[in-house]
Amino acid sequence: SQQGEEDPQALSIQEGENATMNCSYKTSINNLQWYRQNSGRGLVHLILIRSNEREKHSGRLRVTLDTSKKSSSLLITASRAADTASYFCAPFYNQGGKLIFGQGTELSVKP
Amino acid sequence: GAVVSQHPSRVICKSGTSVKIECRSLDFQATTMFWYRQFPKKSLMLMATSNEGSKATYEQGVEKDKFLINHASLTLSTLTVTSAHPEDSSFYICSARSFTGDTQYFGPGTRLTVL
Repeated sequence: SQQGEEDPQALSIQEGENATMNCSYKTSINNLQWYRQNSGRGLVHLILIRSNEREKHSGRLRVTLDTSKKSSSLLITASRAADTASYFCAPFYNQGGKLIFGQGTELSVKP
Repeated sequence: GAVVSQHPSRVICKSGTSVKIECRSLDFQATTMFWYRQFPKKSLMLMATSNEGSKATYEQGVEKDKFLINHASLTLSTLTVTSAHPEDSSFYICSARSFTGDTQYFGPGTRLTVL
């Protein structure tokens, strides 16, 4: 399967806490991308990490990639109620070039 | 970041009619566009990949005669749902990627309701 598998499926935390979401995939990738989707909206691209990178930061987001374990994690620090959304990882393979999405992690941040 | 628009954002139609959804890349040339379908509380299901000027490649199980895709220019792709039925009601999302880019930029989605 080409899709990423996110874990956990749902996560509920208090505002100010950190949220960690994990992603696993099956075969070698070119890069891995994380997206956010607010209810009833399109996807917003958050961050892209290439296969030769181990960690990347963007504001309150931190993404790690372990190609030996075929896994990635997304950490949102100091979460806010506005971070409430579904988060998807999408492994990008050289062949085909299409993004296949898993079920995502539904994050709920309570004020 | 790059912007992708979709039109309309919502459409309600009668069973048996056809509906066209437009996807536009506003500030870049999209050599490849993708169409996804999403059911409530579910993930996005890739329907087809279209490259500008060529026929779309459909995913397994997607009826190409039902979901007509046209990618006639580098900034516009259309999805036409032909002879729509209530089971076609869904959230349709397009995305676009430039020739040199790895990132896919998504449109805001179109909510289709077939009565």
